[in-house]
Amino acid sequence: KQEVTQIPAALSVPEGENLVLNCSFTDSAIYNLQWFRQDPGKGLTSLLLIQSSQREQTSGRLNASLDKSSGRSTLYIAASQPGDSATYLCAVGPLGSGYSTLTFGKGTMLLVSP
Amino acid sequence: DAMVIQNPRYQVTQFGKPVTLSCSQTLNHNVMYWYQQKSSQAPKLLFHYYDKDFNNEADTPDNFQSRRPNTSFCFLDIRSPGLGDAAMYLCATSPRDRASYEQYFGPGTRLTVT
Repeated sequence: KQEVTQIPAALSVPEGENLVLNCSFTDSAIYNLQWFRQDPGKGLTSLLLIQSSQREQTSGRLNASLDKSSGRSTLYIAASQPGDSATYLCAVGPLGSGYSTLTFGKGTMLLVSP
Repeated sequence: DAMVIQNPRYQVTQFGKPVTLSCSQTLNHNVMYWYQQKSSQAPKLLFHYYDKDFNNEADTPDNFQSRRPNTSFCFLDIRSPGLGDAAMYLCATSPRDRASYEQYFGPGTRLTVT
């Protein structure tokens, strides 16, 4: 059974810092990995999706990498801003189903202070 | 804009009183998912539909049922809500025919059981 772990559980940084969020998964037989953002009491917003054949994806100040063989992904946020404060979740989708049923981590709660 | 819509955004029900949550989508995606997310926990997949084919997760309680009358709509029925069913319920969709199988989430319904 796939298990997804995110470290740290919470992170507080001053505005302007570059930071890295970590995600690890136990079964490397994945089809894709998605990073999401969740604001308090809200739904999930997809940030980046990496297919298993890819090594990284970038969107603006966000860069996600994937090392499938070691079961790890990182989300790099450059020049953090207070508006980046949210919970960041990673989720992996398995091989073989023809579509993707995601297994989520518990998330990293990020607070960026002005 | 194409999107996933959930109604209501907030639902209060009494212990044991049946409740139905609604999800609709304008993305014309084949697959629809229901997740349960309790406070500070990872979203947990309850079930999903691939077109009209229903797929229940093994550990989803019998108290939870779902209906998908057409491509656009999917409902989550909780037959006899208990206090432990208070959670955020997230609906998501994904296409079958695109290589990425990226999931798109609605804003969620926050369920309170009194």
